[in-house]
Amino acid sequence: DARVTQTPRHKVTEMGQEVTMRCQPILGHNTVFWYRQTMMQGLELLAYFRNRAPLDDSGMPKDRFSAEMPDATLATLKIQPSEPRDSAVYFCASGLPTSGGYEQYFGPGTRLTVT
Amino acid sequence: AQKVTQAQTEISVVEKEDVTLDCVYETRDTTYYLFWYKQPPSGELVFLIRRNSFDEQNEISGRYSWNFQKSTSSFNFTITASQVVDSAVYFCALRGGTGANNLFFGTGTRLTVIP
Repeated sequence: DARVTQTPRHKVTEMGQEVTMRCQPILGHNTVFWYRQTMMQGLELLAYFRNRAPLDDSGMPKDRFSAEMPDATLATLKIQPSEPRDSAVYFCASGLPTSGGYEQYFGPGTRLTVT
Repeated sequence: AQKVTQAQTEISVVEKEDVTLDCVYETRDTTYYLFWYKQPPSGELVFLIRRNSFDEQNEISGRYSWNFQKSTSSFNFTITASQVVDSAVYFCALRGGTGANNLFFGTGTRLTVIP
């Protein structure tokens, strides 16, 4: 049963600290998405990669957020420095392009709390 | 611009009742894709269905059924004979046929099935 995995599942950190979230996409999926879920904004796209290349990161605050895919089995989302408003659940999703568009399979999320 | 509206914020039903979750979308694309995801209390996002704009045939999967009506830009989701395990937040999402591949999510409908 192939799944997207994310680590850590929960992270509590102090304002100003660096946070790194990791995602392992489903083997063979060539597209990875990062979403953020908050009560106020709902689910919103931060960035996505295809074949490890960033295709769209317009939803991501560039001054503090960065997303990378160092290899096909790992995607990272980094926040430096973190702020209380970054508190949210961060989801990674992976997918394959099909004639019907991507069926995106989501990981369990990383719940981030910045105090 | 892509937009998804789920007007029902919360719905409560008694077990075994049928329930319909509404989803209305807006897009200028002639080709687009519609999705439903389930987010149970554990927090993960579970893919339920994808529909493309060329296929208006309704779909049934067990107790779940989906009614896609292009004329009213709606993609409603019905659960028949609801069960307590159906309690979750349900998200409708839209992906356009051009440009970005990300999903635009509605704000979700929280369904509570009372035993």
